[in-house]
Amino acid sequence: DVVMTQSPLSLPVTLGQPASISCTSSQSLVYSDGNTYLNWFQQRPGQSPRRLIYKVSNRDSGVPDRFSGSGSGTDFTLKISRVEAEDVGVYYCMQGTHWPPITFGQGTRLEIK
Amino acid sequence: EVQLVETGGGLVPPGGSLRLSCAASGFTFSTYWMSWVRQAPGKGLEWVANIKQDGSEKHYVDSVKGRFTISRDNAKNSLYLQVNSLRAEDTAMYYCARGINNADWGQGTLVTVSS
Repeated sequence: DVVMTQSPLSLPVTLGQPASISCTSSQSLVYSDGNTYLNWFQQRPGQSPRRLIYKVSNRDSGVPDRFSGSGSGTDFTLKISRVEAEDVGVYYCMQGTHWPPITFGQGTRLEIK
Repeated sequence: EVQLVETGGGLVPPGGSLRLSCAASGFTFSTYWMSWVRQAPGKGLEWVANIKQDGSEKHYVDSVKGRFTISRDNAKNSLYLQVNSLRAEDTAMYYCARGINNADWGQGTLVTVSS
């Protein structure tokens, strides 16, 4: 199984400041079709998860452009350019390349400092 | 607008069974893989199972193999998860999600396994 490792697990950030979350996979996430199926999800308190980014760097519809994804192979990053209060929650990476099983990272809890 | 509405959760004793349902709308259900993902209280996300568009392929996480069965009815735009032989560790919010890469999620249905 592919293990997804996120860091940090807790991320206190001042409003208006940038934030960055790392996700490392135990093997390359490049699929045979050339795509890399690495996704990022946000889960606000009391809400269902919501996908923010798919295939490493593509923002889903309605996702603010302050969110960006990057990376390749086994190392990926989610960046928030300027954190807003509504960004509080837990962020998960997920790989959809080598499955079953589909696997998620442990989650990174973002809070306002 | 994509909508996924899960129902069927509840409180069941260890060894019990439930049938979870997910009603889909706002997209062509029959053209998407569909997934179930769960989240134990205070814990992270765990993929449970998924099913191909025509139901010909089904995959499960090892911990539920032989106990859970995923199915779908494309005529009814519905996804199901039959959960049998429930254990305390199956206590979780169960979400249905669209696609292999979980593009959209429902609000979840809570399964609590306790005597």
